[in-house]
Formats: sequence, C-alpha cells, structure tokens
Amino acid sequence: DMKVTQMPRYLIKRMGENVLLECGQDMSHETMYWYRQDPGLGLQLIYISYDVDSNSEGDIPKGYRVSRKKREHFSLILDSAKTNQTSVYFCASSLFGQGYTEVFFGKGTRLTVV
Amino acid sequence: GDSVTQTEGLVTLTEGLPVMLNCTYQTIYSNPFLFWYVQHLNESPRLLLKSFTDNKRTEHQGFHATLHKSSSSFHLQKSSAQLSDSALYYCAPNSNNRIFFGDGTQLVVKP
Repeated sequence: DMKVTQMPRYLIKRMGENVLLECGQDMSHETMYWYRQDPGLGLQLIYISYDVDSNSEGDIPKGYRVSRKKREHFSLILDSAKTNQTSVYFCASSLFGQGYTEVFFGKGTRLTVV
Repeated sequence: GDSVTQTEGLVTLTEGLPVMLNCTYQTIYSNPFLFWYVQHLNESPRLLLKSFTDNKRTEHQGFHATLHKSSSSFHLQKSSAQLSDSALYYCAPNSNNRIFFGDGTQLVVKP
C-alpha cells in the first residue's frame, strides 16, 4: 500500500517551544519534500531531500531544519516556534530521476503556535 | 529560474458550464513534465493528470489538458462542471527532478 504518513495530525505549541514533525513513506522513494500551505499562498516548498543526508533548501527554509537519516523517514524541526509558523504542513515523496511519476502527499499536520 | 503562473486565484461558475483553468510555466529544463493536482477541502493534494508529450491531449476523470511547449502552457479544461469539482487546483511542472507548484486556482461550482 503506497502511503505517506505524517505524525501528528494536529499540534498546538506555545511560542518558543521546539516542534518536531515526522513523516514516513513505504515506497522507497529517494526524494522527499516538506511544504507548508497557507490560504492564498499555495504550496510553499520548505526543504527537499534527495536521499539520506542529502537535503536542500526550498523557497522558505528560514526558521526550519530537517533531518533524514533513513530513506523512509524525513523530519521537520522548528527550533523555537513562532506564531507565523502556524500553518498546515505537508510531507510528500517521489521517485528520483523519474520526472513523470507523481508526488504522493501525506494527510498533513495542522500546527498552531500560540 | 523555474516558475509557474496560474492567473486566476478564484473561478466561480455554475454547474454545467465549461471549466478552463489557465497555467503557464517557465523552466530551465527544456522538456519538463507537467502535472495538475487537485485538493478537496481538508484533504491533501492528489494527482489529476500529467503530460510530457507536446500537443497531445491527456484526459482523466472528465478533465483534459494539452501541453503546448511553444507557448509553455498546460491549461486544464472540462466540458461541464459538477458540484463535486469544487476544489483547489495546482499546476505543477517537474523540471530537473524538482516539482514546482503554482499558487493554485480555487474552483467553486454553484448549483
């Protein structure tokens, strides 16, 4: 069963706390992504990972970092969360070098920073 | 650099009327793959249709699109809108192993 799993689905954190969003996939995809989605702003790429320990900044990396120690897991970390990081975060994965294949998305994590 | 433009942020139309959502793109890679993703309320984006071949119509679930490399366009169309088509639609080129999403077009279909 091809799946991208995100945990947790909902999270409320206080400003200044650290946040860990986790993502897993069971398709052995090399490429994984973290996006955030805000109303009217579409899907904004935070980080892209091409494989273990091969991570690149996306369009809005400031305030975020990532970790990929296993191909099937990709974590997003917010050190000292800010209220403007309240958003819906999507993890996604795809095959590398196969531009014709689709990107699979997780169900998203709704993060609220108060 | 790479970019994608969806000119309409919101499209509102009556059930039964035709749908056309515009998409133009700019990519460094000369032969990108083009995708349309659809996202219904409180769901995650999922693939609607895709294309790589110039001037060839691709269809899925009643929607169709034709990639025109000469004009860098990949507009999404449907002959008759249904209430269930109400969703957010993203055009997305894949260039050099990286997919780019536009800002999306919110389609609202009213009875």
